[in-house]
Amino acid sequence: GAVVSQHPSRVICKSGTSVKIECRSLDFQATTMFWYRQFPKQSLMLMATSNEGSKATYEQGVEKDKFLINHASLTLSTLTVTSAHPEDSSFYICSASGQGQGYSNQPQHFGDGTRLSIL
Amino acid sequence: SQQGEEDPQALSIQEGENATMNCSYKTSINNLQWYRQNSGRGLVHLILIRSNEREKHSGRLRVTLDTSKKSSSLLITASRAADTASYFCATQTGANNLFFGTGTRLTVIP
Repeated sequence: GAVVSQHPSRVICKSGTSVKIECRSLDFQATTMFWYRQFPKQSLMLMATSNEGSKATYEQGVEKDKFLINHASLTLSTLTVTSAHPEDSSFYICSASGQGQGYSNQPQHFGDGTRLSIL
Repeated sequence: SQQGEEDPQALSIQEGENATMNCSYKTSINNLQWYRQNSGRGLVHLILIRSNEREKHSGRLRVTLDTSKKSSSLLITASRAADTASYFCATQTGANNLFFGTGTRLTVIP
C-alpha cells in the first residue's frame, strides 16, 4: 500500500526556533499533500493544502507567514514553523494523495505525525 | 465549520462485543471515510463509502451511510483488544479536502 514518511517524529526546541517537518511519499507520486494540526484528544484540523509546483492554499485562520509550506517535488512537501512559540506546540500530521487518482473517492495516506514541543 | 460530529465521544466494551460509532455531517459529500488512529500515531484508512452507496463491508467492519440524514455509522464486530484506538469519520466534497469528525475513543477490555 501507499506509504508516507514524516520526519522528525518528535521535536523539542526553544521558543524562537524555526522547525522544519518533512513529508515524503515513498512509493507513489503525490500531486497533493495536506497538513493537519491535532491538539490532544481532539480531531484533525486542516491547515493547508499544497499542490506540487504551486503555492499552498491555507485554511482560514492559519498564518501563511508562520507556517511555510513548500511542495517542490512530487514526493516531498515541507512545513516550516517559523519562530515557534509554546502555543505552536501540537501534533502535526501530513497526508498525501497520488497522481492520477483524481480529486474524489480516494483515501489519503497519512504520515505518522510530528510531536512538536516548544519550551 | 464543515467538521462533523461523532458519538459517542468515548466507548468502552468487553472483548468480543460489537462496537458502534456514529457520525453526522453538515454538507453534501462525494464520499465519507473512516480512519483509525492509535495514540500518538498517524491515521490509517479503514473504509470509504461513496455518496451513492448505503452499506459497505470490510472484514469485521460494516459502514452505513444515510445521505438524507447526513449520517454514517461504523460497526466493528467481535472486537479485540487491538481495536483500541480513536476512530474518525471524514467527509470529502468536490475538492480533495477531508473534513474530520470529532472522533470516538474506543477501549476494548481484554
